Amino acid sequence: EVQLVESGGGLVQPGGSLRLSCGATGHSFSNYWMTWVRQAPGKGLEWVANIAPHGSEHYYANSVKGRFTISRDNARSSVFLQMNSLRGEDTALYFCARGIYGESEDYWGQGTLVTVSS
Amino acid sequence: DIQMTQSPSAMSASVGDRVTITCRTSQGISDYLAWFQQKPGKVPKRLIYGASKLQSGVPSRFSGSASGIEFTLTISSLQPEDFATYYCLQHYTYPYTFGQGTKLEIK
Repeated sequence: EVQLVESGGGLVQPGGSLRLSCGATGHSFSNYWMTWVRQAPGKGLEWVANIAPHGSEHYYANSVKGRFTISRDNARSSVFLQMNSLRGEDTALYFCARGIYGESEDYWGQGTLVTVSS
Repeated sequence: DIQMTQSPSAMSASVGDRVTITCRTSQGISDYLAWFQQKPGKVPKRLIYGASKLQSGVPSRFSGSASGIEFTLTISSLQPEDFATYYCLQHYTYPYTFGQGTKLEIK
């Protein structure tokens, strides 16, 4: 069974940094694009970033470009989101997801909450 | 960037009703559109991929269609478990974008 488990969320001051992690089990992690999606409290879904299976291609939402960096370690079946220069509007539940675009089943973690506040 | 206009933002309906939710994109995206359902406190779940292809295991009362830049999710006969929020997602060009969501409530 495929499982995705996020960690690393918490309370951080504006301007601060956090690194989110997502560990995957139950599938050939290195074969899949991985995605971060976030959801602010009471709001809709926002696509944040994508990384290719080999890790050399990555793409970002305009709202986070230049501040967030997605990376992966296929040997550890993990994907990361380094978040710098955090703002109040980055407060959200951050989901790690696999396969949300194509034919194969989509998998989502339960999310990790990031709160940016002084 | 591709803009997504999803409508309505909220609606109420009764069990057994036929419901239609629409996403309009600001430019052509071929069939690179998916539909997701999210229930309160739960993670999203994909219902439709490729604009009209039903995800395995999803009830056949759900269907998707496309006409140019307008995409439609239809629930043919609402069931109690279908009351949720629905989102479209375009993955044709970066940055990918979700629609604003449609909250479907019980009348």
